[in-house]
Amino acid sequence: GAGVSQTPSNKVTEKGKYVELRCDPISGHTALYWYRQSLGQGPEFLIYFQGTGAADDSGLPNDRFFAVRPEGSVSTLKIQRTERGDSAVYLCASSAGLEIDTQYFGPGTRLTVL
Amino acid sequence: AQSVAQPEDQVNVAEGNPLTVKCTYSVSGNPYLFWYVQYPNRGLQFLLKYITGDNLVKGSYGFEAEFNKSQTSFHLKKPSALVSDSALYFCAVRDMEYGNKLVFGAGTILRVKS
Repeated sequence: GAGVSQTPSNKVTEKGKYVELRCDPISGHTALYWYRQSLGQGPEFLIYFQGTGAADDSGLPNDRFFAVRPEGSVSTLKIQRTERGDSAVYLCASSAGLEIDTQYFGPGTRLTVL
Repeated sequence: AQSVAQPEDQVNVAEGNPLTVKCTYSVSGNPYLFWYVQYPNRGLQFLLKYITGDNLVKGSYGFEAEFNKSQTSFHLKKPSALVSDSALYFCAVRDMEYGNKLVFGAGTILRVKS
C-alpha cells in the first residue's frame, strides 16, 4: 500500500516569508508526527497528533511554528516569518493499530530559507 | 530524559564481513528501542524494534540487534555486509514520559567496500 507522502519535496523561500508543508499519512493511521532533521544530525521531534488533536507539541521551537490536522488525516506544518535557521528537512511519520510504537516516515520536505 | 548515543560517526567494513553499529541508551523504566536506516535524499526506513521478549531481535534486510540490559546497549548487526547496506543508520528510543515521540541518536554512516 501507499506510504507516507509529503509535499513539496523541496521548498525554497526567502527570510520572513510564510510556508506550509503537507503530510499525507498512511491510510487509517491515527497517529501523526512531525520531526525536523538538520544537516548531520538525527531527527528532532516537533509535534504529535492523535486523531485531530495535538497530543504533544513540546518540540515546537517557538510560536512561529504551528501544525494542524483538522480531519484526522492530512496534516499541515506552518512556519511564519521564516528564518535561515529554519532550513532543514522536515519529516512526517505515522503509526497506528497494533503497531502504534512503529513510526513509518515519509521522504521529507527540504526547506531552504535564503 | 530518555536518550541514545551512537559513539561512532562512521563504520567501515568489507563486503562479506560481519558488521556492528553501536548504540547505547539511557532511559527510566523499560526501553522501547528502534533502528532506522536512511539512504541519500530519502526518508527513514524502519529496520527493527525491541519492546520486550527475546534479546535478539530480527528485522528487515537480514539485520538483527541485540538488547543488553546490563550494558544498556542495543547494537545493530549483520552477519555478512553488502555494498548496498551503505547508508546512515539511526538508533532511537521511545520517550515514555511524553507520549510516543522518538528520541534519535546522531547517526552512524556505514560504508561497505567491495
